[in-house]
Amino acid sequence: AQSVTQLDSQVPVFEEAPVELRCNYSSSVSVYLFWYVQYPNQGLQLLLKYLSGSTLVKGINGFEAEFNKSQTSFHLRKPSVHISDTAEYFCAVIQGAQKLVFGQGTRLTINP
Amino acid sequence: DAGVIQSPRHEVTEMGQEVTLRCKPISGHDYLFWYRQTMMRGLELLIYFNNNVPIDDSGMPEDRFSAKMPNASFSTLKIQPSEPRDSAVYFCASSWDVLGELFFGEGSRLTVL
Repeated sequence: AQSVTQLDSQVPVFEEAPVELRCNYSSSVSVYLFWYVQYPNQGLQLLLKYLSGSTLVKGINGFEAEFNKSQTSFHLRKPSVHISDTAEYFCAVIQGAQKLVFGQGTRLTINP
Repeated sequence: DAGVIQSPRHEVTEMGQEVTLRCKPISGHDYLFWYRQTMMRGLELLIYFNNNVPIDDSGMPEDRFSAKMPNASFSTLKIQPSEPRDSAVYFCASSWDVLGELFFGEGSRLTVL
């Protein structure tokens, strides 16, 4: 069965510092990868997705992620975070013809 | 577009009562998904529909849960009878494609006492 692992449940960083949120998935066969963000008391919204093509994907709010097939990873990065980036971030994967599966989430906390 | 609309936003009920959660997807979206979010289990897909037909209900926890989509603009998730362990935030999401972006509603927070 497909699975996705977010290695950090919580990541605290200072404002304007860079951040990387890690995500690994279980298989490299026909994989589609997504990052979603959930602000407090809201539903999830799409940050970015990888379906094919360039392995570096740019999303909204200055986020980007790199698909690394050999490492089976899809880490999310931002060079300089803002207080408003405080949220929970979910990596998700579709493999083969299966349904979308979400990771457990990483809570990003930005300290001033 | 108003986005995905869920109701109620909050529901507090007593064990044994019937609970009905409602969802209006974005017009034109062919896929509708019901998710449950808890601290312990994260986000779980309960069921999804394509063109109003249930495609995969393997995530529905047990027979107490049922979901329907009588038309393209409305879906319900029903729990009967409810139990305290059903307490969670239930999200509805819709999409025009199975690989497309999911648009989530704001969720229905259910508390079963």
